[in-house]
Amino acid sequence: ETGVTQTPRHLVMGMTNKKSLKCEQHLGHNAMYWYKQSAKKPLELMFVYNFKEQTENNSVPSRFSPECPNSSHLFLHLHTLQPEDSALYLCASSPLMTSGGSSYNEQFFGPGTRLTVL
Amino acid sequence: DAKTTQPNSMESNEEEPVHLPCNHSTISGTDYIHWYRQLPSQGPEYVIHGLTSNVNNRMASLAIAEDRKSSTLILHRATLRDAAVYYCILRERNAGNMLTFGGGTRLMVKP
Repeated sequence: ETGVTQTPRHLVMGMTNKKSLKCEQHLGHNAMYWYKQSAKKPLELMFVYNFKEQTENNSVPSRFSPECPNSSHLFLHLHTLQPEDSALYLCASSPLMTSGGSSYNEQFFGPGTRLTVL
Repeated sequence: DAKTTQPNSMESNEEEPVHLPCNHSTISGTDYIHWYRQLPSQGPEYVIHGLTSNVNNRMASLAIAEDRKSSTLILHRATLRDAAVYYCILRERNAGNMLTFGGGTRLMVKP
């Protein structure tokens, strides 16, 4: 399989459940990202991992807990979510997280996990 | 952060060129202009990016105004598969790969 894959594609959970979203990339990239896309808001960056180290946490509530065991896999652990957390959660990867300047590494996105919190 | 303004939606006819505008009047001298698009039920995909000069690739062309306060993404021949939300994004030079998405333009292509 190639590209960025996400499982599950759809998830329905109650507010007391614990679940995990999985992202896997087969592109040999070293940076991975979690984004949230709500119905009425623009795409929001949540977390960034560069070479398995978290480099960005965009003020995300602690009920979202990311894990990056290696450069190919990224997880988002969910617990005690709220209905307003219902959204499309997108994973992306890029060759590496550049420090700036003129170089840019394109981000490759997965198809997302549609999460519904009841 | 410098912001972008795009029309909420646009319509185009199949096999005709499409010009998608983006205003970014507060752009700084070192901000790059990126375009991504999101097809239905998919994650965003990179289209093109540039700094000052016009850029061409296999997907599209990017025309940047001389004062850099606006830019236009050009699809030379729209197909039904080009129906998507197109995002114009400014990336700060020192922001590395960090992207801040806005609302985008929903492009509808009529057969």
